[in-house]
Amino acid sequence: DTGVSQNPRHKITKRGQNVTFRCDPISEHNRLYWYRQTLGQGPEFLTYFQNEAQLEKSRLLSDRFSAERPKGSFSTLEIQRTEQGDSAMYLCASAIGGSSAGYNEQFFGPGTRLTVL
Amino acid sequence: GDSVTQMEGPVTLSEEAFLTINCTYTATGYPSLFWYVQYPGEGLQLLLKATKADDKGSNKGFEATYRKETTSFHLEKGSVQVSDSAVYFCALSEGRQLTFGSGTQLTVLP
Repeated sequence: DTGVSQNPRHKITKRGQNVTFRCDPISEHNRLYWYRQTLGQGPEFLTYFQNEAQLEKSRLLSDRFSAERPKGSFSTLEIQRTEQGDSAMYLCASAIGGSSAGYNEQFFGPGTRLTVL
Repeated sequence: GDSVTQMEGPVTLSEEAFLTINCTYTATGYPSLFWYVQYPGEGLQLLLKATKADDKGSNKGFEATYRKETTSFHLEKGSVQVSDSAVYFCALSEGRQLTFGSGTQLTVLP
């Protein structure tokens, strides 16, 4: 069973450093999502790719955040000049995109927990 | 914009008790509705879904009915087990991203 995988699972960094996370979606899924989850809250949408195109970005995604999906397969999320407020669990999800709206079953990875000291 | 409001926790029940976790939503169109579960130390897993009004989603003894008239999607289980202890998230989608509620922590005591 090749589900969504994320690396690393944990990352501790000092404020001001750059970090990069990787997500490998389920192989036939053309949609890929990034979410952020802080303690005691539900996941919040950050950005979304269909194949290699980044189609939507949340207002939560500041200029310090950048995401790529260069070949429409794996994706990376980079945070530059990290701040303590960036500490959270970063979740990746993938889905099969289709023409019908309203049905969007997403499969989640285990997440990368970021701690900024 | 879209939003999901779910019953605040934590909820503590004895084994075999009846469970209800309330969820209401606001959406501009006709969303699909989901319940996700997050077991300790694990990722989010889809528990059940409903894609149109009056649909009932069910899985592992849990069920929820899409009620358009009350914009609700309450999660129920007739007899909870210790292994159901987890955080439960209600979510909606209008075709792209999921919008989640804040989660309800459930603890089931033996």
